[in-house]
Amino acid sequence: SAVISQKPSRDICQRGTSLTIQCQVDSQVTMMFWYRQQPGQSLTLIATANQGSEATYESGFVIDKFPISRPNLTFSTLTVSNMSPEDSSIYLCSVEDRQGGRQETQYFGPGTRLLVL
Amino acid sequence: SQQGEEDPQALSIQEGENATMNCSYKTSINNLQWYRQNSGRGLVHLILIRSNEREKHSGRLRVTLDTSKKSSSLLITASRAADTASYFCATQTWGNTPLVFGKGTRLSVIA
Repeated sequence: SAVISQKPSRDICQRGTSLTIQCQVDSQVTMMFWYRQQPGQSLTLIATANQGSEATYESGFVIDKFPISRPNLTFSTLTVSNMSPEDSSIYLCSVEDRQGGRQETQYFGPGTRLLVL
Repeated sequence: SQQGEEDPQALSIQEGENATMNCSYKTSINNLQWYRQNSGRGLVHLILIRSNEREKHSGRLRVTLDTSKKSSSLLITASRAADTASYFCATQTWGNTPLVFGKGTRLSVIA
């Protein structure tokens, strides 16, 4: 199965600042997905990051607020810009592991816990 | 928008009892996946069931899928305190597309 790491694991930030979250995968993947999980809630997709093209954002999420980079097949970053307390969430990246017999299984990174004061 | 709806939202049982969680969804799917999350940490993949499958087992886990009713259930047998977590179902319409998550069930297993 794909092994995914995220940095930072947690952070406390001041409103108005920006934070860039990194996601590293131990294998090459076409698609990477970024999700947000607000306190006590389920996961909501922010965007899909395909290497070599612009990320595709879900309704309610915009590139100016959540710019994404996807420079290669094993790495992606998500920036939370001009943060407000409402951005306090866990941010998770995910990939689909299409190697071996467990095709289509999606694996998640450990998440980045963000608290905005 | 979220497609899956878990039922119940919260469940509290004694150790050794079985826990059943249900998930309903709205559109056609390629597969449905169940995840566990401990205390706001990362998601652990439990089991994937494809649309042409009706039942799958993995250890103490049993998952069923009824595509005619657009519903799935997760059964944890002989529960343990360590099973205390939130459980989410997530559906995928096609391969290599994002998952759509349900709201989750918070399971508490009391020793």
